[in-house]
Amino acid sequence: SQKIEQNSEALNIQEGKTATLTCNYTNYSPAYLQWYRQDPGRGPVFLLLIRENEKEKRKERLKVTFDTTLKQSLFHITASQPADSATYLCALSPTGTASKLTFGTGTRLQVTL
Amino acid sequence: DSGVTQTPKHLITATGQRVTLRCSPRSGDLSVYWYQQSLDQGLQFLIQYYNGEERAKGNILERFSAQQFPDLHSELNLSSLELGDSALYFCASSVGAPGSYEQYFGPGTRLTVT
Repeated sequence: SQKIEQNSEALNIQEGKTATLTCNYTNYSPAYLQWYRQDPGRGPVFLLLIRENEKEKRKERLKVTFDTTLKQSLFHITASQPADSATYLCALSPTGTASKLTFGTGTRLQVTL
Repeated sequence: DSGVTQTPKHLITATGQRVTLRCSPRSGDLSVYWYQQSLDQGLQFLIQYYNGEERAKGNILERFSAQQFPDLHSELNLSSLELGDSALYFCASSVGAPGSYEQYFGPGTRLTVT
């Protein structure tokens, strides 16, 4: 069955460092991969979208890579700040208007001073 | 503010009851999605509507139903409620197809079944 894996353990890093979060998937051939941020009790907020024919996407301090051979996406936050502390969700979708976006369970990031 | 509104914010009800959750999508968005998020399950896709028509179904129970109205707002109906239905219910909207466009999430409705 399709599986999306994100590290369930929290990632603790120091302010100013680069945070790297991993999203692995099996039995899946996604056409699109998205990353969202979610704060406790609030709705997810869209961050970045990358297509299967794209290797990398950047937006300000954020960078996403998409390796369809390894079936993995890496999400990087450079120069981390305490305000970046949140849960980060990856989500995958095949192509097609009737397809659905399937979310991973997320990784909690804690940035400390 | 995502532009997606959901009402009510909180709902407390008893087992066996029926509730209706309401969602208004962002202006211009034709797709509406419903998700359920509980502590042990993560964000689970329930159902998608596009311009009034059902487009995709996820792990939605038969006790749950939804619809999208001509003005594009959507309602999720939950009946014969059980304790296990307690969760955060999110509505999201997007311009088009699920994967190729980002989704904008509402603030959610927290349902507590006692």
